[in-house]
Amino acid sequence: DAGVIQSPRHEVTEMGQEVTLRCKPISGHDYLFWYRQTMMRGLELLIYFNNNVPIDDSGMPEDRFSAKMPNASFSTLKIQPSEPRDSAVYFCASGDSGPSTDTQYFGPGTRLTVL
Amino acid sequence: AQKVTQAQTEISVVEKEDVTLDCVYETRDTTYYLFWYKQPPSGELVFLIRRNSFDEQNEISGRYSWNFQKSTSSFNFTITASQVVDSAVYFCALSPVNAGNMLTFGGGTRLMVKP
Repeated sequence: DAGVIQSPRHEVTEMGQEVTLRCKPISGHDYLFWYRQTMMRGLELLIYFNNNVPIDDSGMPEDRFSAKMPNASFSTLKIQPSEPRDSAVYFCASGDSGPSTDTQYFGPGTRLTVL
Repeated sequence: AQKVTQAQTEISVVEKEDVTLDCVYETRDTTYYLFWYKQPPSGELVFLIRRNSFDEQNEISGRYSWNFQKSTSSFNFTITASQVVDSAVYFCALSPVNAGNMLTFGGGTRLMVKP
């Protein structure tokens, strides 16, 4: 079975531009998580969905960030407008809440650079 | 509040040495999960192990072993006969045993195995 798929793998953009990151979770998983990794703050949870519904977005840094999950196989994280401090690696992870798993599997990440 | 501490930010060993990565956690939950993830230089996060708080049996998988001690809130990871391919950043993480399973990560330990 394919793992979590993220695109693009690398994104370089200029300050003020809109950035959209994409994620396809593992088929059958009912949870989807977006994380951000920076040297200063480590791995931080931004938002997570259960059955396509956002459950907790308290980690979203500010209104410039938004996330959607229109269906069970696709999610986006959008930054508009982007700023240099948004430069980071963004990971998507999916998980199955069944008792035998309860484990999050991560995608390869998107390395975002905002100039 | 949950917290995971990996006091060792960086460890350097010579190939074939044994190495232990420390992880100490704090939680008010009576049941919880503990995890270890590996982040090799390529950047992806690879799931290694999940442990439930009510199962304190140590686990061994090949050269990897994990020592869970609830009394000291520790979940240490030992690599026996380390290899250069073990070089990576290793993250310990904690989550509640409930819907969502939001992960709280430690700061990571960078392991360098020299030939």
